Amino acid sequence: DGGITQSPKYLFRKEGQNVTLSCEQNLNHDAMYWYRQDPGQGLRLIYYSQIVNDFQKGDIAEGYSVSREKKESFPLTVTSAQKNPTAFYLCATEDWNGYTFGSGTRLTVV
Amino acid sequence: AQSVTQLDSQVPVFEEAPVELRCNYSSSVSVYLFWYVQYPNQGLQLLLKYLSGSTLVKGINGFEAEFNKSQTSFHLRKPSVHISDTAEYFCAVSVSNTGNQFYFGTGTSLTVIP
Repeated sequence: DGGITQSPKYLFRKEGQNVTLSCEQNLNHDAMYWYRQDPGQGLRLIYYSQIVNDFQKGDIAEGYSVSREKKESFPLTVTSAQKNPTAFYLCATEDWNGYTFGSGTRLTVV
Repeated sequence: AQSVTQLDSQVPVFEEAPVELRCNYSSSVSVYLFWYVQYPNQGLQLLLKYLSGSTLVKGINGFEAEFNKSQTSFHLRKPSVHISDTAEYFCAVSVSNTGNQFYFGTGTSLTVIP
């Protein structure tokens, strides 16, 4: 079945560490997105990519980085510069039918 | 820029009662409208969408929504809710159905009371 795989489902990070969240898709969609979800704030766009080797900052890109070397993959790195990284992170792809979401990664800073 | 307002952050409703979750958007151009549902610790799942045509849209799990251009609204309704409908519901707007960012509301938490 086609879909989006986000891994890991749960991730714990010590303060000062960089961590990378994986997002892989086999839907053959060009556009991919990373959102951050906090309680009561809905979804906020971190980065998006419309095509391989190109990506754009979203509304809250500070402290995050991405790469898009392959169509299937859009990993998100949460750097030590992100002051409040504890959140639920969602990856999505887009086609004419709208967005398809992965099952998310819950990141906790300990 | 687009904005999406979900007027109710929490909606409690008794089982088998009807429910309406409200969504308003701001846009001076044509938009595409979506409702998504999220169960705890999961991603978002598409409930229904309006791209064009009939303003009454039917989705999965017995939900429907009506696009009202004059009131810039896209309210979600279900005539009789079930316990399994307890979830977070998000309204989203796009100015195009491809190649453009979605704008999400802050979500409405629906709790169905037995």
